[in-house]
Amino acid sequence: GDSVTQMEGPVTLSEEAFLTINCTYTATGYPSLFWYVQYPGEGLQLLLKATKADDKGSNKGFEATYRKETTSFHLEKGSVQVSDSAVYFCALYSGGGADGLTFGKGTHLIIQP
Amino acid sequence: KAGVTQTPRYLIKTRGQQVTLSCSPISGHRSVSWYQQTPGQGLQFLFEYFSETQRNKGNFPGRFSGRQFSNSRSEMNVSTLELGDSALYLCASSLQSGGYNEQFFGPGTRLTVL
Repeated sequence: GDSVTQMEGPVTLSEEAFLTINCTYTATGYPSLFWYVQYPGEGLQLLLKATKADDKGSNKGFEATYRKETTSFHLEKGSVQVSDSAVYFCALYSGGGADGLTFGKGTHLIIQP
Repeated sequence: KAGVTQTPRYLIKTRGQQVTLSCSPISGHRSVSWYQQTPGQGLQFLFEYFSETQRNKGNFPGRFSGRQFSNSRSEMNVSTLELGDSALYLCASSLQSGGYNEQFFGPGTRLTVL
């Protein structure tokens, strides 16, 4: 079945540092890929998505590129802020009657001032 | 526009009891999905309802069931509770059926089974 693997953390960085959160997946066919973020005390919200190979999703300074050859969708940001502290979930959807979104375990990101 | 609301936010039950959780989607959204979140298994898909019909179901026992009403509000029921059902239950709504569409998640209902 489908699966998503991501580093669980916590990942602790200083403000203005470069961020990479790795995400790799296993899926049948050509899934759509997503990053969802959960800020403290809030529900998950969509951060960015990509629907086909080589697509780049971007939002709020975050980027991720759909790499079919390495089955990866790594999240990057050039300069993180304290307000980026949250839990980040990589997810995929295979479609065609698939069982909803398949999520990774989530990566807890802590940004220190 | 009001977000997804879930009630109650916290619930404590004992083994063998049953529980009903409620989810009100964003106005205009016709799809409601339910997920179980635990530290060990992470987020797992339970089921999706669209226009009062169950569209998809995850790999959970028949003790987990749900329904959707004509106003798109959804309820999830768990019968004969087990200790392992302790979890955060998340509801997500979207305009159309299918995970391709942006899912809007509620804050969740924290269920503790004693």
